[in-house]
Amino acid sequence: KAGVTQTPRYLIKTRGQQVTLSCSPISGHRSVSWYQQTPGQGLQFLFEYFSETQRNKGNFPGRFSGRQFSNSRSEMNVSTLELGDSALYLCASRTGGTENSPLHFGNGTRLTVT
Amino acid sequence: DQQVKQNSPSLSVQEGRISILNCDYTNSMFDYFLWYKKYPAEGPTFLISISSIKDKNEDGRFTVFLNKSAKHLSLHIVPSQPGDSAVYFCAASAPNDMRFGAGTRLTVKP
Repeated sequence: KAGVTQTPRYLIKTRGQQVTLSCSPISGHRSVSWYQQTPGQGLQFLFEYFSETQRNKGNFPGRFSGRQFSNSRSEMNVSTLELGDSALYLCASRTGGTENSPLHFGNGTRLTVT
Repeated sequence: DQQVKQNSPSLSVQEGRISILNCDYTNSMFDYFLWYKKYPAEGPTFLISISSIKDKNEDGRFTVFLNKSAKHLSLHIVPSQPGDSAVYFCAASAPNDMRFGAGTRLTVKP
C-alpha cells in the first residue's frame, strides 16, 4: 500500500501571498488530519476531515482552511501568509471510523515565508 | 492549550542502557495514547500505543506504561541503540481528536 503523499515537499512564498498544499491519504482511509510543526511547539492540530466534512478544528485563525474531496484527497490553504506561518505542514490519515487507530503521516511540506 | 506535555526537550543515554521518555496529559476524555518517532525530513512514524483500559503494552524493546490517575504515560526503550536517536512525540486521542506533545529529542551515544 502506498503511504500518505504530500505535495509539494518544499515551498517558498512571500508575505501576503496564499498557498495550497495537497495530501493523498492511504487507500481506504477516509479521515485526513493536518498538523503544523514548528521548533519547540510540537505538532499543532489544524483540522480533521472525514467524508468531505470538517469534523474537528484546532485553534488556528481563519486564514487556515481546508477541504476534502470525494476520493478522500485533501487540500489545505493558507491565505495572507505571515512570516510566522513558516513551518513543516504534516498531513496524516487513518481509517476514520469510531475506533481508535494510529495516524499515518506523510513526509510533510516545508513552507518558508519570506 | 497544552493538553499534552513532554517536559524534557532532550534526553541523552548510553547505548545498551534504558531510555525513559515521559508525557503528561490534562484531558480525562483521552482514552488512547500513542508514541511516534520522527527523523529529520520525514513524517512521524507510529511506534506503539496503549488503550486506557490497560496500564502496560510491550512491543519488543519498547514498552509504554499508563498511569491514568496521574494522567501520565512513559515510553521505555531497552536496550537503547544508536538508531533510536530521533525525536519522540507522545499523543493522546479522544474520538475525532488527537493531540501531540512538543517532543523529546533522544540521543543514544555509542
